[in-house]
Amino acid sequence: EPEVTQTPSHQVTQMGQEVILRCVPISNHLYFYWYRQILGQKVEFLVSFYNNEISEKSEIFDDQFSVERPDGSNFTLKIRSTKLEDSAMYFCASRSPGALPGNTIYFGEGSWLTVV
Amino acid sequence: TQLLEQSPQFLSIQEGENLTVYCNSSSVFSSLQWYRQEPGEGPVLLVTVVTGGEVKKLKRLTFQFGDARKDSSLHITAAQPGDTGLYLCAGVSRMNRDDKIIFGKGTRLHILP
Repeated sequence: EPEVTQTPSHQVTQMGQEVILRCVPISNHLYFYWYRQILGQKVEFLVSFYNNEISEKSEIFDDQFSVERPDGSNFTLKIRSTKLEDSAMYFCASRSPGALPGNTIYFGEGSWLTVV
Repeated sequence: TQLLEQSPQFLSIQEGENLTVYCNSSSVFSSLQWYRQEPGEGPVLLVTVVTGGEVKKLKRLTFQFGDARKDSSLHITAAQPGDTGLYLCAGVSRMNRDDKIIFGKGTRLHILP
């Protein structure tokens, strides 16, 4: 079974610090996503990425956030200056091309970010 | 803003009983998905329903998409302790360049042996 891998699994950071969350999507996938889940709340869409650029982003994904795929394998989410409310589980996901009904999105196990 | 409401939020029943979980929205979706999420893990796709009125079965789980493509249900027959978990419904909408998935808050199911 192919899988999306994420690192770190858990990170604790001081408010105001920069954080980079890393993801290795499934190798032949071309669409990449970040979602987050604040404890006890629903999974929320942050951003989608295709062809080396952002294709969609939510209101949550403000100027504090950025994504890139620097080396063709890793897909990263950077939070420039973390706030307490950024504490959440961040999920990376990927899928192959084509409309969603025919293509499954695979989620990683998540990176749990705690901002103190 | 597209919202998906799931009910009930929590459900605890005895092994062998049947149950139904509901997912409702005022928005129309191109398709609707059901996921299962274990603690500390990402959501795992169970099924995608596409056509209004569509019914899909996965062993003891039956998924139905509403005729208007705004709601869905998940019915479990003869629930087993292994069915315990968080079940998420998610609506899929076509955006400009990609499909967007909106998740409900989930139904936490606990099956008592």
